[in-house]
Amino acid sequence: LAKTTQPISMDSYEGQEVNITCSHNNIATNDYITWYQQFPSQGPRFIIQGYKTKVTNEVASLFIPADRKSSTLSLPRVSLSDTAVYYCLVGARDDKIIFGKGTRLHILP
Amino acid sequence: DSGVTQTPKHLITATGQRVTLRCSPRSGDLSVYWYQQSLDQGLQFLIQYYNGEERAKGNILERFSAQQFPDLHSELNLSSLELGDSALYFCASSVGGTAANYGYTFGSGTRLTVV
Repeated sequence: LAKTTQPISMDSYEGQEVNITCSHNNIATNDYITWYQQFPSQGPRFIIQGYKTKVTNEVASLFIPADRKSSTLSLPRVSLSDTAVYYCLVGARDDKIIFGKGTRLHILP
Repeated sequence: DSGVTQTPKHLITATGQRVTLRCSPRSGDLSVYWYQQSLDQGLQFLIQYYNGEERAKGNILERFSAQQFPDLHSELNLSSLELGDSALYFCASSVGGTAANYGYTFGSGTRLTVV
């Protein structure tokens, strides 16, 4: 099981770009990296998924270096509504999917 | 609407009682996962079913059990409830057996309060 490490919390201001880095040193060859967003009292929501290099969608970008031992979720020009918990998840070889505590992102006005 | 339906949305019950939470996965998804989230805690994986069979087990208590029916909906049964079982219970579904590579779709959860 690929364990992930993320910062417990981050603060940023509206309009800024926010980068959240996740470490996953023992990622397996066929594992994808997926990020989820969770608002209070709601289920997590899929944000973005990637395997290598860079992936971009309408919400975020995901940067993955060549060694794939880390990944960075980039949220452009955040707003107050981006305040949430962000989870990094790496493919589970034994299907025991562990989300961890995630990163609590707090956007300030 | 994510396509994953959980009922009921809220449940209040007394200690010692038994409850059943229900989940209908997104159309076409074969896997159902159950998670527990207590106040300010991360998502604790309980159990996964794939096409009717138990696929993976997390730290699920012996007082808890689940099953997935032929129509792919799933039920989580919680018995001999304790105050500490109060939490949000989420169901998620995925098309394949390994959600980390396919992606999960979560329901909106059932908030269980044990008094």
